[in-house]
Amino acid sequence: AQTVTQSQPEMSVQEAETVTLSCTYDTSENNYYLFWYKQPPSRQMILVIRQEAYKQQNATENRFSVNFQKAAKSFSLKISDSQLGDTAMYFCAFMKPPGDYKLSFGAGTTVTVRA
Amino acid sequence: GAVVSQHPSRVICKSGTSVKIECRSLDFQATTMFWYRQFPKQSLMLMATSNEGSKATYEQGVEKDKFLINHASLTLSTLTVTSAHPEDSSFYICSAVAGVQETQYFGPGTRLLVL
Repeated sequence: AQTVTQSQPEMSVQEAETVTLSCTYDTSENNYYLFWYKQPPSRQMILVIRQEAYKQQNATENRFSVNFQKAAKSFSLKISDSQLGDTAMYFCAFMKPPGDYKLSFGAGTTVTVRA
Repeated sequence: GAVVSQHPSRVICKSGTSVKIECRSLDFQATTMFWYRQFPKQSLMLMATSNEGSKATYEQGVEKDKFLINHASLTLSTLTVTSAHPEDSSFYICSAVAGVQETQYFGPGTRLLVL
């Protein structure tokens, strides 16, 4: 199984500010997908962003963007203009397609947005 | 799109009884679904992979006779916790793979409490 490491157990950010969550992974594969999922207090897992390893361009979804550094095996998530609704646990995950759709998850980072 | 439902959202049962949890992909077909267990403030722990029309594949340490999985159609997988005991109390989450996107989408989870 692939190892995914999130080294920040908790982070706090002021509303409207920017926060960056780190994620590193270990793999010998060349083709894979990386994901960030958000789990708010409701505990519903929500897909935030997805990145294919073969794409050099960093994925963005509105206020969420990633910095994908393939050689360094790093996949950080930046949340811009933080909102109270961004308060959640964020999980970084690795998938090795095709056919194997299992996700390897990091331990998660709890983000608290302060008003 | 890519909505996954899970039922029930919460269940309380007596020790020794069996509980069935349903996972449905509402707007897409899913040949592969996954079942997870999650303890508070921890990451998701994969229990098993559910493949339509074939036997489920269980992760190491998960008792297949205790956690029965059936994937009878392309939109429905069920997890039955047989002879439940208090130590089975947990939050159970399912996910379904949207094949073209090769992405897991998650159900809202089921909170099981065994008395």
